[in-house]
Amino acid sequence: EVQLVESGGGLVQPGGSLKLSCAASGFTFSGSAMHWVRQASGKGLEWVGRIRSKANSYATAYAASVKGRFTISRDDSKNTAYLQMNSLKTEDTAVYYCTTTVQISGMDVWGQGTTVTVSS
Amino acid sequence: SYELTQPPSVSVSPGQTARITCSGDALPKQYAYWYQQKPGQAPVLVIYKDSERPSGIPERFSGSSSGTTVTLTISGVQAEDEADYYCQSADSSGTYEVFGTGTKVTVL
Repeated sequence: EVQLVESGGGLVQPGGSLKLSCAASGFTFSGSAMHWVRQASGKGLEWVGRIRSKANSYATAYAASVKGRFTISRDDSKNTAYLQMNSLKTEDTAVYYCTTTVQISGMDVWGQGTTVTVSS
Repeated sequence: SYELTQPPSVSVSPGQTARITCSGDALPKQYAYWYQQKPGQAPVLVIYKDSERPSGIPERFSGSSSGTTVTLTISGVQAEDEADYYCQSADSSGTYEVFGTGTKVTVL
């Protein structure tokens, strides 16, 4: 079964750090680009960033709202992608999803999401 | 930064047709994708590459493209189609992904 499982969410103070994980199974993780998408309560989807495969030089790209504060990485030996979040702001409070392309095109597989709350 | 614009809401009676538009300057160059999201759930891909339908998605969902606008059409809307719908595409360079502002479809 194709699956993505996020973990690592929680409550953190403004200015703090948190690292999310996305464990993949059921597909060839090493060949897939991995994206992070977030959604604040009652708001729309926001693309956070992505990391491409080794064949594409592990290239990363980030939304302007998180560039310089967030870092996406991956460990193909563990079939896991990560989102390191530093200098967190209250506006980073959201459900964070990891997502990828497995069978066709577009983001066709999504995790269940993990909640990050930035508050003092 | 690049933006994709959708109407905030669309209301439709059961059995009628709902059309949701998404406008963006790079859409003539980049494919568009559509996602359905129900409360408390992760998004589900319903259209890829402007007009292709993934397996398992009902035939009443279709997509089209014309210039800087793409359209998701739901023909013969059913109560279960009530959800938020988001378009998604990339900027002209293909580097940055972006989601549309989202459209809430209400089945009357």
